Amino acid sequence: GAVVSQHPSRVICKSGTSVKIECRSLDFQATTMFWYRQFPKQSLMLMATSNEGSKATYEQGVEKDKFLINHASLTLSTLTVTSAHPEDSSFYICSAGDIRGSYGYTFGSGTRLTVV
Amino acid sequence: AQSVTQLGSHVSVSEGALVLLRCNYSSSVPPYLFWYVQYPNQGLQLLLKYTTGATLVKGINGFEAEFKKSETSFHLTKPSAHMSDAAEYFCAVAGGTSYGKLTFGQGTILTVHP
Repeated sequence: GAVVSQHPSRVICKSGTSVKIECRSLDFQATTMFWYRQFPKQSLMLMATSNEGSKATYEQGVEKDKFLINHASLTLSTLTVTSAHPEDSSFYICSAGDIRGSYGYTFGSGTRLTVV
Repeated sequence: AQSVTQLGSHVSVSEGALVLLRCNYSSSVPPYLFWYVQYPNQGLQLLLKYTTGATLVKGINGFEAEFKKSETSFHLTKPSAHMSDAAEYFCAVAGGTSYGKLTFGQGTILTVHP
């Protein structure tokens, strides 16, 4: 089955530093990847849609200069949280869709970011 | 645009009892509907999905859901709850021109008592 690997699973960083989160599709080509953010005891909110070889499409209210998304290959998308602050602490989850446009989205295992 | 409402942020059942998690959706186009389960500090696992065809969809771990267009509902059921079913469940909808973009409900935490 389709597998999406997300790394790291947990990261603690100091305020003002940047953190990169990777999302890899291990056994399929992901033309589109999605990045979600989940606050404690809340639902998932879509941050951006990442298409291979083009700029990401950000949802309203999401700062594109703060949350940099790169999707340089069909198997890798990265989310970089720049100049992180404590309010950026959250659970970030990626998902990927395969090249056939299947609706069987596969999610990564998530990254718990804590900014201190 | 799509939206999802999950009725009941918390549902508690006894082991062996029926599980019913409610989901209503709104969509201006034929919806694709999903149920996911999330365990603490983990990603989402797909339980089942409805795209087209048969309206009763069977998923993993004994779960099933029925798409009812007239009621704009996609409720999740399981005849007999197991302790391992305790988790948070999310209903989601996709459709429209933004294929691939999922809109999630608020989630329902299922507690199973022995």
